Amino acid sequence: NAGVTQTPKFRVLKTGQSMTLLCAQDMNHEYMYWYRQDPGMGLRLIHYSVGEGTTAKGEVPDGYNVSRLKKQNFLLGLESAAPSQTSVYFCASRGGPTDTQYFGPGTRLTVL
Amino acid sequence: SQKIEQNSEALNIQEGKTATLTCNYTNYSPAYLQWYRQDPGRGPVFLLLIRENEKEKRKERLKVTFDTTLKQSLFHITASQPADSATYLCALGTGGGNKLTFGTGTQLKVEL
Repeated sequence: NAGVTQTPKFRVLKTGQSMTLLCAQDMNHEYMYWYRQDPGMGLRLIHYSVGEGTTAKGEVPDGYNVSRLKKQNFLLGLESAAPSQTSVYFCASRGGPTDTQYFGPGTRLTVL
Repeated sequence: SQKIEQNSEALNIQEGKTATLTCNYTNYSPAYLQWYRQDPGRGPVFLLLIRENEKEKRKERLKVTFDTTLKQSLFHITASQPADSATYLCALGTGGGNKLTFGTGTQLKVEL
């Protein structure tokens, strides 16, 4: 039972490049989330999904797209990376009686 | 505007003492409030949930209170240990409970 995994762990991009971050969960949770964490800003919600085939915007969605084609996977895409997207990205899934969010280990992204 | 405020300065306490962390919020009506622990380089880990109709919750050495009139939650760690040193995040259940909005966190250091 791996919980929530994220791929890759680290990535360096040049401005304008694209990439996809993959999040996978094996807990059969309906809800999944993508956050970014920056110093002094805390965790901010980018996009989330309440079930397979659904997505919704969070607090800071601009410059990102997401897809939830399978229940266990939630993909975050950057079509044209900008230095302002340098951050640590966390994925989470939610379930259980306490509405707990289970976080992955994070992806550290640097955009040059 | 909506705000979630946690002590931005680190809290330093001696081992064995009780640590008290504060979370204040404005212009939110959360369905619930959660506390998470985050260690450097890792994702947040769930600690406690308290719902809007509850005043207090306990789990081992942890206690959380929730005052919806004052719009404040207090998080207590009794008999603190150096292993309790971490950043603690409060998070409000918003968007009908489907989303979490996080505070910026308070860093706790427990010294011998």
